[in-house]
Amino acid sequence: DGGITQSPKYLFRKEGQNVTLSCEQNLNHDAMYWYRQDPGQGLRLIYYSQIVNDFQKGDIAEGYSVSREKKESFPLTVTSAQKNPTAFYLCATTGRLDQPQHFGDGTRLSIL
Amino acid sequence: KNQVEQSPQSLIILEGKNCTLQCNYTVSPFSNLRWYKQDTGRGPVSLTIMTFSENTKSNGRYTATLDADTKQSSLHITASQLSDSASYICVVSVLTLSYIPTFGRGTSLIVHP
Repeated sequence: DGGITQSPKYLFRKEGQNVTLSCEQNLNHDAMYWYRQDPGQGLRLIYYSQIVNDFQKGDIAEGYSVSREKKESFPLTVTSAQKNPTAFYLCATTGRLDQPQHFGDGTRLSIL
Repeated sequence: KNQVEQSPQSLIILEGKNCTLQCNYTVSPFSNLRWYKQDTGRGPVSLTIMTFSENTKSNGRYTATLDADTKQSSLHITASQLSDSASYICVVSVLTLSYIPTFGRGTSLIVHP
């Protein structure tokens, strides 16, 4: 069954720690995206990648890093430089531009 | 700046009633408009997608309308069910080679029995 798998579902970060959120897809989509969702706000774009080995910063990239070594995978690292990382993180993919984005079920990150 | 504004911010209705959610946008040049449903703790799921030439699109009890001249869209939910309780997000994209959509903040709908 095609889809997007995000893991873990819940994640806790200690002070000064980097954490990595996983996003894997088997939809064979070229474009992948990371969004951050805070209560009462719309989804904000962190990073996106339209092809393997290439990615672009979104609106709120500071304190985050990504890699795109494989078409299926687009992991997001929340670094210690991100001072307010508590949020719901969503990964999405797009195939054709006239088709809707597909979303994973998110990772909720909290501070210990 | 591209913006998508949704109203109301939240809405409470009784099961079986109809409701309409609004979306106004200033995105240009317009490519398409999408409505998503997001259940609590889950990722958004697409309900409808409309291009410039379409002014209505249905998906079961959900009917979306688009007025490209006034840059307004609405999502009408007929005969609401408890499972309709969710956040409904309006998303607009521009006409470019890449797909970078602009998201509204969503309308939180609660359906009471």
